[in-house]
Amino acid sequence: QKEVEQDPGPLSVPEGAIVSLNCTYSNSAFQYFMWYRQYSRKGPELLMYTYSSGNKEDGRFTAQVDKSSKYISLFIRDSQPSDSATYLCAMKAGNYGQNFVFGPGTRLSVLP
Amino acid sequence: GAVVSQHPSWVICKSGTSVKIECRSLDFQATTMFWYRQFPKQSLMLMATSNEGSKATYEQGVEKDKFLINHASLTLSTLTVTSAHPEDSSFYICSAPPRQGRGEKLFFGSGTQLSVL
Repeated sequence: QKEVEQDPGPLSVPEGAIVSLNCTYSNSAFQYFMWYRQYSRKGPELLMYTYSSGNKEDGRFTAQVDKSSKYISLFIRDSQPSDSATYLCAMKAGNYGQNFVFGPGTRLSVLP
Repeated sequence: GAVVSQHPSWVICKSGTSVKIECRSLDFQATTMFWYRQFPKQSLMLMATSNEGSKATYEQGVEKDKFLINHASLTLSTLTVTSAHPEDSSFYICSAPPRQGRGEKLFFGSGTQLSVL
């Protein structure tokens, strides 16, 4: 079993739809959870960061962490064509310098 | 968010030459920086962890003599692809967690597309 699993997609939705992206993980030591957006041939951009369990909202984006289920989600409301990108989940245990573990990414296309 | 600058963004070189890629943290210090390689439509593959003032740690299967990493200061890490060959053509990305705090966030450079002819 991979340490972090994520459906690679591609996922196509119409403009204005609510998008749900998910990752599952196996390492219960992970405490820090992140979502990145990556456009083609660009570096990943940090979208959301969450520590431990709970929800976090920022504009059209909501991140959820359920540590008991080892499951994290990113919701995008009122999706726009500009949201078309690859979304990577990432997570990390406690110590500085310790490796971040990434999911394989989900390719999202929002169709106008 | 913190800014990581990566340069160059795009380079073409002849087979057998060496190419240096720079990664700078502009507004924070980074004791550690990570170097990734990414093939089209694939996820990030960690190549090595760069540590300021000490030797880099390479992932299994990554040739340390091929991919030279130097982390000379708290704001600069370099990756040199030595004697580049066409199979080294790829998208290379650096990243760094700020030294302040617990280093729980990771910020990426804009990436370097390397094409070896």
